[in-house]
Amino acid sequence: DTEVTQTPKHLVMGMTNKKSLKCEQHMGHRAMYWYKQKAKKPPELMFVYSYEKLSINESVPSRFSPECPNSSLLNLHLHALQPEDSALYLCASSQDYQRGREQFFGPGTRLTVL
Amino acid sequence: GNSVTQMEGPVTLSEEAFLTINCTYTATGYPSLFWYVQYPGEGLQLLLKATKADDKGSNKGFEATYRKETTSFHLEKGSVQVSDSAVYFCARTRGGGADGLTFGKGTHLIIQP
Repeated sequence: DTEVTQTPKHLVMGMTNKKSLKCEQHMGHRAMYWYKQKAKKPPELMFVYSYEKLSINESVPSRFSPECPNSSLLNLHLHALQPEDSALYLCASSQDYQRGREQFFGPGTRLTVL
Repeated sequence: GNSVTQMEGPVTLSEEAFLTINCTYTATGYPSLFWYVQYPGEGLQLLLKATKADDKGSNKGFEATYRKETTSFHLEKGSVQVSDSAVYFCARTRGGGADGLTFGKGTHLIIQP
């Protein structure tokens, strides 16, 4: 299995809602990532988990809360989002922290905040 | 800092034409370099990679060589197809480990029959 899966595919939420994005991989990868991609822009790194521990937070607002319950799962909890948070949220994984390891991306969750 | 600069499109070519998409990176550290492709409405797919100077990555007819002297990683293909139409991102690792990728702005490639 060489796939990263993400659910849901699309999500529409109001500014007062709480929702979660889910990401799963069964490749035995020990590093997992969240990226945000606005329309016609490149992905921008949000968070990195290495061996289930948060290793990088790119100064992301606290309304985004990541969680890594185990080595296969990565969640992104959303609360009190703003319309400008509407974007494609991409999850990725890589084998480990070694230099040169390629990242495998999921199909993304397209989030719309009303 | 770490950055990647690539030619912005759209780049429009006829089928069977030769393709070059330029990419340069800042020479901080010893990055690994990647090309990813994104089709409409999808995530990113790894196209090829190179981890050290003079490495050549290749896949599906695409090639790119890690040139340390010119800090470049240009993507080439000898004969493009309509199915190659997509957005192509050049990327580099930011540091030595699992610390994410820095992407170029992306090049929208359009291949006309």
